[in-house]
Amino acid sequence: QKEVEQNSGPLSVPEGAIASLNCTYSDRGSQSFFWYRQYSGKSPELIMFIYSNGDKEDGRFTAQLNKASQYVSLLIRDSQPSDSATYLCAVVPTSGTYKYIFGTGTRLKVLA
Amino acid sequence: KAGVTQTPRYLIKTRGQQVTLSCSPISGHRSVSWYQQTPGQGLQFLFEYFSETQRNKGNFPGRFSGRQFSNSRSEMNVSTLELGDSALYLCASSSGQGSYGYTFGSGTRLTVV
Repeated sequence: QKEVEQNSGPLSVPEGAIASLNCTYSDRGSQSFFWYRQYSGKSPELIMFIYSNGDKEDGRFTAQLNKASQYVSLLIRDSQPSDSATYLCAVVPTSGTYKYIFGTGTRLKVLA
Repeated sequence: KAGVTQTPRYLIKTRGQQVTLSCSPISGHRSVSWYQQTPGQGLQFLFEYFSETQRNKGNFPGRFSGRQFSNSRSEMNVSTLELGDSALYLCASSSGQGSYGYTFGSGTRLTVV
């Protein structure tokens, strides 16, 4: 079992819809969770991070964390074609405080 | 504020050679991490430095090494290059312990032929 799993996609949503991206992790003691966006040919850029169970909102983005079920999700409201990118989930495991474990990413396509 | 700067952007090397990649973190950032990104494996952690000390190392062979200087700039070295080392090498910096996320540089694209 991979430490951090994401559906590779592509996930296609129409413009204006809500895109829901999911990530599961295996280390139950993980404390920190991050979402990065990576455009083709570019480096990853941080969208948001979450530490506590529940929801965290930042503009059109909402991160949701459920530690009991070991999943973290990212919702993108009012999706735009410019949101088309690969979204990477990163988890900091308990065994390595400064090491991020990345999922392989979900490719999102927002259709105009 | 300048971002994370990586040099060179592109490199072509021959099998068996060695290569050194450079990373200048955001001013004031003391934590630097290195990642390898390939289409098949995604982003894989190489190592992390803080104040010239390596705090974590990923599961890569000893051919991969790194160091950090007193000004927080970091280098990574790969010796005896193999075809499988062809990848995008990303450096990321953080002000502290990475608790609030790392900022990535543009990467160095290494091609081994």
